[in-house]
Amino acid sequence: KAGVTQTPRYLIKTRGQQVTLSCSPISGHRSVSWYQQTPGQGLQFLFEYFSETQRNKGNFPGRFSGRQFSNSRSEMNVSTLELGDSALYLCASSMTSVSLNEQYFGPGTRLTVT
Amino acid sequence: QKEVEQNSGPLSVPEGAIASLNCTYSDRVSQSFFWYRQYSGKSPELIMSIYSNGDKEDGRFTAQLNKASQYVSLLIRDSQPSDSATYLCAVILGANTGTASKLTFGTGTRLQVTL
Repeated sequence: KAGVTQTPRYLIKTRGQQVTLSCSPISGHRSVSWYQQTPGQGLQFLFEYFSETQRNKGNFPGRFSGRQFSNSRSEMNVSTLELGDSALYLCASSMTSVSLNEQYFGPGTRLTVT
Repeated sequence: QKEVEQNSGPLSVPEGAIASLNCTYSDRVSQSFFWYRQYSGKSPELIMSIYSNGDKEDGRFTAQLNKASQYVSLLIRDSQPSDSATYLCAVILGANTGTASKLTFGTGTRLQVTL
């Protein structure tokens, strides 16, 4: 079974621009979560989608948003990019949106903001 | 107090030895615990999940959970150089409400297995 895929793998953007990242979960998985990883803050939860609905949200500004489509694929968008948004963005999929489910990570999208 | 705490290391163990990685968490009603391995430049890879007190073994890995002490650990037996990586402890804090999937991560412990 194919794993979680994320596109693009690398991105370079300029301050003020916006960016959209894409995640395709493991086949049959309906929950997609997004995380940001930076050297200073570690791995931090952004939000989780299940059945096209946001179920959980982390402590990030409104510039960070996401959505999920009927085929469970998810996108996250960051508007008005800041230098501090440079990070590895990871998505993880699980079968359902319950705490006993294991989450599997994709390879990540490395975003650099200049 | 951080919600999930790990010693950042590095933890250095000789090849063939047992590596012991520890993690404490703040919310005593938490019920779901995970260990991930992350190689430099790669994404986290799930190694173990544990939900009940006691030990859970999978090959060379053993996860141990003590909810009374709010402590979860990972033992790696017969450590190999390929085990050198950062090990992340992740907890779903709080009670299982049926809709919670937010993983809270520790900062990770860097393990070095020396020849």
